[in-house]
Amino acid sequence: GQNIDQPTEMTATEGAIVQINCTYQTSGFNGLFWYQQHAGEAPTFLSYNVLDGLEEKGRFSSFLSRSKGYSYLLLKELQMKDSASYLCAVLTPGGSTLGRLYFGRGTQLTVWP
Amino acid sequence: KAGVTQTPRYLIKTRGQQVTLSCSPISGHRSVSWYQQTPGQGLQFLFEYFSETQRNKGNFPGRFSGRQFSNSRSEMNVSTLELGDSALYLCASSFQGYQETQYFGPGTRLLVL
Repeated sequence: GQNIDQPTEMTATEGAIVQINCTYQTSGFNGLFWYQQHAGEAPTFLSYNVLDGLEEKGRFSSFLSRSKGYSYLLLKELQMKDSASYLCAVLTPGGSTLGRLYFGRGTQLTVWP
Repeated sequence: KAGVTQTPRYLIKTRGQQVTLSCSPISGHRSVSWYQQTPGQGLQFLFEYFSETQRNKGNFPGRFSGRQFSNSRSEMNVSTLELGDSALYLCASSFQGYQETQYFGPGTRLLVL
């Protein structure tokens, strides 16, 4: 089966940097997404990696190593509003050209003042 | 541009009943995907529709079904409800499919008693 692992919870303080890791073991790989979900709200897109390396987007960066089945989301200059669940999702090849999308259970990040 | 809308937002049903949830995608988006989110299992893919055709399906029993209309609006139906079906049901739309960035609706929270 498909296995996507992320830490359940993390805490950090305002202004700090936090790294949320995601490891995956899937039958094939077509890309990895990170989504942010605030409590009671819909997930919102943060980043998409399909090639190895670092993608930077403002305070958020995402890294991918396909050979290691590993990704991380780096959040800099943390703000209280960054308190949310962060979801890692892997797109795998499937019976159709689209493949299938598998989500990890999410990492609940709490940012303290 | 209006976002993804889902109705109803909250629903209470009893075991054995059936339920129909509705999702209106972002204007111009032709792909609608449905997900079930529970604290224990996280976000799990149910199915995806594109141009009124189901293109992909997750590992859910046949009690879960859906359809898409010519205006891209989609409905999801769950028959013979079980207690374990209590969850947040999210739909997400994209222009061509879930290999792209998906835009999630606020979800329908279903409670089965």
